[in-house]
Amino acid sequence: GAGVSQSPSNKVTEKGKDVELRCDPISGHTALYWYRQRLGQGLEFLIYFQGNSAPDKSGLPSDRFSAERTGESVSTLTIQRTQQEDSAVYLCASSTSGSGFEQFFGPGTRLTVL
Amino acid sequence: GQNIDQPTEMTATEGAIVQINCTYQTSGFNGLFWYQQHAGEAPTFLSYNVLDGLEEKGRFSSFLSRSKGYSYLLLKELQMKDSASYLCAHYTDFNKFYFGSGTKLNVKP
Repeated sequence: GAGVSQSPSNKVTEKGKDVELRCDPISGHTALYWYRQRLGQGLEFLIYFQGNSAPDKSGLPSDRFSAERTGESVSTLTIQRTQQEDSAVYLCASSTSGSGFEQFFGPGTRLTVL
Repeated sequence: GQNIDQPTEMTATEGAIVQINCTYQTSGFNGLFWYQQHAGEAPTFLSYNVLDGLEEKGRFSSFLSRSKGYSYLLLKELQMKDSASYLCAHYTDFNKFYFGSGTKLNVKP
């Protein structure tokens, strides 16, 4: 079946502009995670959605970052007033449950802020 | 974070065995995952340990000691395609994954 998809695959923007990144999880997966990965580094947790529960936003680095999820489907990560330090690959992952089940990752969106 | 520590880079020879270590802070432990990530690609799941001991899956095995906050990934019969980064991830009781910075493995002929 279809895996996790993300769009766009690449995004180049100017400092100060807003960007919106999209994630389509695997159908039926209730848990959805967003991560940021800077070049040569590990994954940095940003936000976690589980079903209809309130999301865990504890990893969002600043109030310029926000995310939404429509039910148990698509999620969007929005970065307002982008800064050069926001340049990274943004990865989305979904799983059947938050309880330690395997995460399936999307291909990521490479964001470059000029 | 959860103080996930793993070596930055390792080099091994094709056909050999390599062990990649990972240590983590033990509070809130709910499981230890290993992921493989080839350059420019998304991570893919390798293994999951929740109890102490060794889990074997073909050429790859993963070991966990909860009391020591220690895990390792063992790769046998190394192949060139095993050149990748290997990420250790601590899964906590708040449904969060804390990833290490990854160990870049270089397999040489």
